Amino acid sequence: SAVISQKPSRDICQRGTSLTIQCQVDSQVTMMFWYRQQPGQSLTLIATANQGSEATYESGFVIDKFPISRPNLTFSTLTVSNMSPEDSSIYLCSVARGYEQFFGPGTRLTVL
Amino acid sequence: GQQLNQSPQSMFIQEGEDVSMNCTSSSIFNTWLWYKQDPGEGPVLLIALYKAGELTSNGRLTAQFGITRKDSFLNISASIPSDVGIYFCAANSNSGYALNFGKGTSLLVTP
Repeated sequence: SAVISQKPSRDICQRGTSLTIQCQVDSQVTMMFWYRQQPGQSLTLIATANQGSEATYESGFVIDKFPISRPNLTFSTLTVSNMSPEDSSIYLCSVARGYEQFFGPGTRLTVL
Repeated sequence: GQQLNQSPQSMFIQEGEDVSMNCTSSSIFNTWLWYKQDPGEGPVLLIALYKAGELTSNGRLTAQFGITRKDSFLNISASIPSDVGIYFCAANSNSGYALNFGKGTSLLVTP
């Protein structure tokens, strides 16, 4: 498995502002992912965070809104830019080990 | 990604009862995974299945990878109150790739 931490665990933000979420893993991993979980919903993949290159975004998600950094094999950040109330969700990072994936505790974001 | 069809959407049972939930897809997958998510937490991996027809247990949990590679089920025997949570199925076709998720089964257990 993997030990994954996220910061912050929760935040309440004003519309129009940006929030950067950090994800730290206890060991080096090749594949890291960012998911969004809207209230009462399942998990939706935002992007794959690639080390040393740009993130790969899923349909419906763009780099200007969700810029991602992956400076090394144990750390990644996701920024939620120019927030609106529709961005209120839980944001989760995950890492892959073979076919299995392990998730961080999530960041609960509320946008007013 | 492909949405997996997970059912039932919710279950409300008494402590001690057995529970069964399943996931189906129109696509073939190489791995099926079952997760549990408690309120305010990230999903926790319960069971991973790698071979068609494989039956795997983890304590009171048993999961099977369907022979067609398009479905999986999860059984929980003798449920207890701490089984409460949302159970998600997930699947992928390639190692290291992102997961496709079901919509979740919300389980409530009354003492």
